[in-house]
Amino acid sequence: AQSVTQPDIHITVSEGASLELRCNYSYGATPYLFWYVQSPGQGLQLLLKYFSGDTLVQGIKGFEAEFKRSQSSFNLRKPSVHWSDAAEYFCAVGAHTGTASKLTFGTGTRLQVTL
Amino acid sequence: EPEVTQTPSHQVTQMGQEVILRCVPISNHLYFYWYRQILGQKVEFLVSFYNNEISEKSEIFDDQFSVERPDGSNFTLKIRSTKLEDSAMYFCASSESLGHSNQPQHFGDGTRLSIL
Repeated sequence: AQSVTQPDIHITVSEGASLELRCNYSYGATPYLFWYVQSPGQGLQLLLKYFSGDTLVQGIKGFEAEFKRSQSSFNLRKPSVHWSDAAEYFCAVGAHTGTASKLTFGTGTRLQVTL
Repeated sequence: EPEVTQTPSHQVTQMGQEVILRCVPISNHLYFYWYRQILGQKVEFLVSFYNNEISEKSEIFDDQFSVERPDGSNFTLKIRSTKLEDSAMYFCASSESLGHSNQPQHFGDGTRLSIL
């Protein structure tokens, strides 16, 4: 069964600083990996996805993530954080199960941005 | 940009009552999902639905739960006799297709279900 670990429950960064959120996954085949962001009281918005090909993927809002098979990681990065990036970030792995696919989420990392 | 819409945004129900959560997936999507998030916990898969039948369900999705696509646009989750532990945020998601394109799942804003 697939699983996702986000080792950092809470991270605080200053506005303008760089950001890296860690994600490690466990899956027996080639993973489909996603990062979602959830602002308070909101749903899950897709930031970026990795299916195959280039291991560095670009997403919305200036985010990128790098797939490293050897480390089973898919860390999310942003070179300069904005105060509006404060939210909860979820890493997820997608698995095919017959005729559909389900997502398995990590426990999330809450990002706080100080001015 | 098309989006998944869920109603109501907040539902308060007495324990033991039936509740129906409604979702309108993105119009050209074929795969539908329900997830839930208990306060402070991670998002958990409940069920996936394709071609008018359940594709997969988790152990959470017991006999008290059912899903239905009653018409061409709505996708519903019914809980027959609610328990206190059903209190959670319920997310509906949809995706266009599977296979090589592996389209991502798009989520609604959720329905917060509170059981009293």
